[in-house]
Formats: sequence, structure tokens, C-alpha cells
Amino acid sequence: KQEVTQIPAALSVPEGENLVLNCSFTDSAIYNLQWFRQDPGKGLTSLLLIQSSQREQTSGRLNASLDKSSGRSTLYIAASQPGDSATYLCAVLHLRGNQFYFGTGTSLTVIP
Amino acid sequence: NAGVTQTPKFQVLKTGQSMTLQCAQDMNHEYMSWYRQDPGMGLRLIHYSVGAGITDQGEVPNGYNVSRSTTEDFPLRLLSAAPSQTSVYFCASSYSAGRTDTQYFGPGTRLTVL
Repeated sequence: KQEVTQIPAALSVPEGENLVLNCSFTDSAIYNLQWFRQDPGKGLTSLLLIQSSQREQTSGRLNASLDKSSGRSTLYIAASQPGDSATYLCAVLHLRGNQFYFGTGTSLTVIP
Repeated sequence: NAGVTQTPKFQVLKTGQSMTLQCAQDMNHEYMSWYRQDPGMGLRLIHYSVGAGITDQGEVPNGYNVSRSTTEDFPLRLLSAAPSQTSVYFCASSYSAGRTDTQYFGPGTRLTVL
């Protein structure tokens, strides 16, 4: 069974700092990996999707990398802002079956 | 586009009651799914559908039923509610479950079972 882990569970940084969120998964047989943002009491919003054949994707201040062989992904946020405060979740789409597996998320607080 | 809509936003049930959580999307997506989100456990897949008339079980299907009679709608039925089903429920959709398909999520339904 695919297990997805995110460390740390919570992170607090001052505004302007660059930061890295980590995601690891146990089974490398994946189609893709997605990073989501969740604001309190809201649904999830997709940030980046990396296909299994890709190494990284970028969108604005966000850069996500994927190392499928080692079962790891990172989300890099440059020049963090208070508006980046949210919970960030990663999810993998398993090759066998049409099932997504989610990590438990990292709660990020950016202090002004 | 309204995207993915869910009703109701909040619901309180008594143990043993049944109810249906509604989910609809207007993006002509083939793939739809239901998740529950519990503290410390992340999102877990309950049921999913790859198209009208086709459904399958996810990781935690017990106590829930689904059907997919149209492309747009994917209701989730709780047959006999239990306190263990207290959770936040999210519906999601994507064009398919393929390599390039982003998932879109609804705003969630917060369910409490007493």
C-alpha cells in the first residue's frame, strides 16, 4: 500500500524567507505527484502537477521537484509572504488503479 | 463555471440516520471521487468513478454507497451513520485519472454524527 509522508507537520518562518517542504512516498509506481494548498475551512487548490517522467515544475514563486527513484518530492517557496500561510499537501496517483494517496500535510505560518 | 459544488456545507446526524451528500461539477469531467479528511490522517479515498455508470471502492469504503447516473453528479450516501463517520468530506473531479490531469476540489461538507 502506498504511504505518503510529509515532514515537518508544521513550520513557522519570517516573511521573506525561502523554504522547502518535503514529501516522501513508499512506492515509485506513480503516474504523477501533485501539490495542493488548503486554507482553513476550505477545499484544496492545486498548485503544481509533476508527471512521473518530469523532474520539476515551476509556477511563479513555487518550484516542485520529483525524484521518483528515491520516492521524494520537494516544494520550494521563494520569498515567502503572509498570504502563503496555509496547509500544503502532496498526493500521488498510483499506477495500479485510479487512486490518489495524500500526505497529512505541512501547516505553514509566515510571520509578518 | 461553478466548478465543483457540494451540499450541504454542514450537517448534524444522529447515530443510525441516513443521508446523501451531494456533489456536482460542470466541467464535463469523467473522473470524480469522494474523500474524507480527519485530523492527523490526511485525505483518504472513499469511492471514485471513472465515468457515468462506473464506480469503484477506494481505501475506506465501508458504510458508504455511491452511484454515477450522469457525468455531472456523484452523490455519496451514508446508509446508517456512526460517530466514526464524523469528518469533513470532499468531492473532487478531474478530466480523467491520467498523468496530466489536475484535480479540482469542492468546498467540503462538515458532518457530525452524535
